[in-house]
Amino acid sequence: TQLLEQSPQFLSIQEGENLTVYCNSSSVFSSLQWYRQEPGEGPVLLVTVVTGGEVKKLKRLTFQFGDARKDSSLHITAAQPGDTGLYLCAGAPRAKNTGFQKLVFGTGTRLLVSP
Amino acid sequence: NAGVTQTPKFQVLKTGQSMTLQCAQDMNHNSMYWYRQDPGMGLRLIYYSASEGTTDKGEVPNGYNVSRLNKREFSLRLESAAPSQTSVYFCASSEFPPGQVLAGVSDYEQYFGPGTRLTVT
Repeated sequence: TQLLEQSPQFLSIQEGENLTVYCNSSSVFSSLQWYRQEPGEGPVLLVTVVTGGEVKKLKRLTFQFGDARKDSSLHITAAQPGDTGLYLCAGAPRAKNTGFQKLVFGTGTRLLVSP
Repeated sequence: NAGVTQTPKFQVLKTGQSMTLQCAQDMNHNSMYWYRQDPGMGLRLIYYSASEGTTDKGEVPNGYNVSRLNKREFSLRLESAAPSQTSVYFCASSEFPPGQVLAGVSDYEQYFGPGTRLTVT
């Protein structure tokens, strides 16, 4: 079973601070996604990265896919209370063919941003 | 569009009881999934249906069965509930199954329902 480990598991910060969440694996992924989940709701996709070294920005959020496609990071600049939630990374394992590959989800990072 | 809908939202069962969780999507997606979410363990795939007419086991299928009723609906059945099945269950759908190369780029999005919180006593 391929594992995606996220760190930290929990992060509590003040509004305006910066933070980085990490998603690491020993396996190579063909693509990696980041989701945000709010209490009582399902996860919502934020971004998909597919190329080693790729950087994508979504307003104050910056996502990076590692050069070797085994890890990813999410950096939030000037965090706001609206960023509070559970952040999940999910990877599609690399395969030799284009057959069905199931997403592997990380364990999640719970972020609390206080005013 | 409602997206992905799930019923019920909450359910309490006694050990040994059975129930079916319903899921429907109105996005004409080909693939549908059932996950369970437990504290500290992320989302784990129970069963999936890559396309209408097919179903396959995921990471944790024991104690569950599924039916892809049609392209829109994918149900999850617990035949004899156990306390270990206490969890939050999410249904999801995607237009294409993971790993399918589209125009040279492997890309897809899974849309999730709001979840069913199940407690088995």
